[in-house]
Amino acid sequence: QVQLQESGPGLVTPSGTLSLTCAVSGGSVGSSNWWNWVRQPPGQGLEWIGQIYQSGTTNYNPSLESRVTISVDKSKNQFSLQVTSVTAADTAVYYCARESGVAPYHFDSWGRGTLVTVSS
Amino acid sequence: EIVLTQSPGTLSLSPGERATLSCRASQSVSRNSLTWYQHKPGQAPKLLIYGASSRATGVPDRFSGSGSGTDFTLAISRLEPEDFAVYYCQQYGGSPLYTFGQGTKLEIK
Repeated sequence: QVQLQESGPGLVTPSGTLSLTCAVSGGSVGSSNWWNWVRQPPGQGLEWIGQIYQSGTTNYNPSLESRVTISVDKSKNQFSLQVTSVTAADTAVYYCARESGVAPYHFDSWGRGTLVTVSS
Repeated sequence: EIVLTQSPGTLSLSPGERATLSCRASQSVSRNSLTWYQHKPGQAPKLLIYGASSRATGVPDRFSGSGSGTDFTLAISRLEPEDFAVYYCQQYGGSPLYTFGQGTKLEIK
């Protein structure tokens, strides 16, 4: 059974760059799945950030696209998220998730999430 | 953007009762790509229902999903203590590719 684990700094300064990594075990980022990032600000709902395929092809939420980069490292079996020019509004629990390989598409595995706080 | 509106925002019920949660989409959901997740504090969201009505592996049969087009329902036939959580619906296929509802909190009455 695939497992995902997020990691990265829990505190980022305003105007800085948020960087997170999702380590995949029990499966491969080279498989026929899209790998996703989702976030949840305190007291709010879930927001999809974007996804990446093994080839490096990405899809992003248009609301974040100008500040977000998702990359994949098949040698380390992990994928990563960068968000630039962060503000307090980027404070959230960040989750990584695997999209099912077949339709109807959904997220069949999730990490437990990591809290990132944007503050000076 | 396909906006998903979940109702009610909070549902207060007792163990053993039946729960009915609604998810309404602002446009028709592509190929019934409507998913339900259960989310408890500090845990990863758990997949319950995909394709509007297919139960995920290991999900008890007291959970059922129905609906098509713009109106979807998650029903829990007999609430167990472990079912009290926040439930989110999600759609695939619009722009952005995925959107979530704001969630329904199912709390113990």
